Amino acid sequence: DAGVIQSPRHEVTEMGQEVTLRCKPISGHNSLFWYRQTMMRGLELLIYFNNNVPIDDSGMPEDRFSAKMPNASFSTLKIQPSEPRDSAVYFCASSLWRGGGADTQYFGPGTRLTVL
Amino acid sequence: TQLLEQSPQFLSIQEGENLTVYCNSSSVFSSLQWYRQEPGEGPVLLVTVVTGGEVKKLKRLTFQFGDARKDSSLHITAAQPGDTGLYLCAGERDSSYKLIFGSGTRLLVRP
Repeated sequence: DAGVIQSPRHEVTEMGQEVTLRCKPISGHNSLFWYRQTMMRGLELLIYFNNNVPIDDSGMPEDRFSAKMPNASFSTLKIQPSEPRDSAVYFCASSLWRGGGADTQYFGPGTRLTVL
Repeated sequence: TQLLEQSPQFLSIQEGENLTVYCNSSSVFSSLQWYRQEPGEGPVLLVTVVTGGEVKKLKRLTFQFGDARKDSSLHITAAQPGDTGLYLCAGERDSSYKLIFGSGTRLLVRP
């Protein structure tokens, strides 16, 4: 079975440019998470979708970040304009949440973003 | 404020040695998960513990959830180079979808 798919795997861009990260969750999963990982701050939850609806975006750093989930098989995380401090590894994860507690989250391989 | 503190941050040991990684908090968690992350990949779930005092074994790995459900430990017996990676604990509160990740322990097992 295919796991969570993320693209691109690596992105290098210049400050001020728009960046779009893509994620295809595992088929049948109803929950999707976007995380950011840095050495300084570790793994941080940016936004959580359940059944394609954003439930918790309290981790989104600022208005430059936006995320969408137009259908159950696709999500995007957009940064516009990008800044050097956005450099990090961005992970997408999906799970089948049945309520009553956290289920196993399956992580994609991540997108390593470098903003120059 | 880091809700979940892991120690040590870094650990470099020789193959065959034993080690313990700790995950501590002042908060109570409904459950706690342990993940391992290898370079260039996403974290992979190793185990979930849900009951205070629970002990789970996964081959050479032993996981324990504290009685008060505020802390957890991971013990590896006879470490192997394949155990090298970043170990993350993640706590869930109030039976929620949300996981709070610890700061991580980076383990290197030298052959």
